[in-house]
Amino acid sequence: GNSVTQMEGPVTLSEEAFLTINCTYTATGYPSLFWYVQYPGEGLQLLLKATKADDKGSNKGFEATYRKETTSFHLEKGSVQVSDSAVYFCALSPPGSGNTGKLIFGQGTTLQVKP
Amino acid sequence: DGGITQSPKYLFRKEGQNVTLSCEQNLNHDAMYWYRQDPGQGLRLIYYSQIVNDFQKGDIAEGYSVSREKKESFPLTVTSAQKNPTAFYLCASSGMDRAYEKLFFGSGTQLSVL
Repeated sequence: GNSVTQMEGPVTLSEEAFLTINCTYTATGYPSLFWYVQYPGEGLQLLLKATKADDKGSNKGFEATYRKETTSFHLEKGSVQVSDSAVYFCALSPPGSGNTGKLIFGQGTTLQVKP
Repeated sequence: DGGITQSPKYLFRKEGQNVTLSCEQNLNHDAMYWYRQDPGQGLRLIYYSQIVNDFQKGDIAEGYSVSREKKESFPLTVTSAQKNPTAFYLCASSGMDRAYEKLFFGSGTQLSVL
């Protein structure tokens, strides 16, 4: 079946450190891939997306590249800020799910950035 | 401002009680969704609706019910049949064009059992 696996958290970094949050997926065919971010006490917001292999999604200094050969979509940022502290979710839209918002989410990775 | 409003922010349920979580959107979106979030787990889809007066079960629909009488509203009822209701519930909506590419989420309702 379809699934998403993220690295265990929490991830604790100092401000201006490099961030990587690993995400791998299992799916038949070619899903669309997403990163969502959840700030404390809020709902999820779309951070970036990639809809086909080798696409790179980017937003607010975050990047992720759709790697079909390794079934991965790792999230990276060159220099994190305290304001980036949040929970990050990797998600996929299963092939064949039609034009719906039925997403499969990973378990989430908490990022804590210290000044 | 357009968005999704969930209420209440916190809700407590007694044994054997049904409770209803509200979700309203003014984004003119056709599709709406309910997800459940448990600590250390990803979000799981409970129900979704792509059009008024129609809805489909998601992966964990047992113990829940929904209605979609208006485009703007998609309330979720957690029934007494749901034996483990404590969780964070998130409502979302999307347009119908390439809906999977962007979901808009509300700020959630934390449901706890007394």
